[in-house]
Amino acid sequence: GPKVLQIPSHQIIDMGQMVTLNCDPVSNHLYFYWYKQILGQQMEFLVNFYNGKVMEKSKLFKDQFSVERPDGSYFTLKIQPTALEDSAVYFCASSLEDTQYFGPGTRLLVL
Amino acid sequence: GEKVEQHESTLSVREGDSAVINCTYTDTASSYFPWYKQEAGKSLHFVIDIRSNVDRKQSQRLIVLLDKKAKRFSLHITATQPEDSAIYFCAAEVASSSFSKLVFGQGTSLSVVP
Repeated sequence: GPKVLQIPSHQIIDMGQMVTLNCDPVSNHLYFYWYKQILGQQMEFLVNFYNGKVMEKSKLFKDQFSVERPDGSYFTLKIQPTALEDSAVYFCASSLEDTQYFGPGTRLLVL
Repeated sequence: GEKVEQHESTLSVREGDSAVINCTYTDTASSYFPWYKQEAGKSLHFVIDIRSNVDRKQSQRLIVLLDKKAKRFSLHITATQPEDSAIYFCAAEVASSSFSKLVFGQGTSLSVVP
């Protein structure tokens, strides 16, 4: 099926630093998403993005979070500054209509 | 907001038997219900979905049933094989949102024992 790529697969950083998670969505998809999964818990919606804009964000999408997709390149999630509770696996997804296709996730560990 | 409950956290079946995973949702307006499979250390892989205009959908060994009255949907895997072992997540699309947003269940870890 359609493939979504995420870079890096793992990232370890110190609390307070900035991190950027990169997503390469399916090429003809129009809608982009970030989800967060803490170990052993269910996946939770963070934000969706369409036509260069955030359409909806959850309460998990703190002020320290931002997303963008400059000039059709990577769809990025930036966290600045990071906090310990940001440690999780972050999944990117993209869709043309309903069906969302997920990337392999970035495992973020904040120390 | 929408809540999705996945009733079985773990499920073990013998190879060749059927496995059934049940989910319930709270928002009567939800109309799209996908299922994803996650193997250890890998991403979510879309397996099948159902929309509210039907109550049954089949794709090879996978059958999804939807009971809108009970706000319940289920995934049936027939003739299970060891490679079906994985965590399965159900999800519901939030209807109130202008744009798609999925609410996931907690996941069911399925083990198919030879």
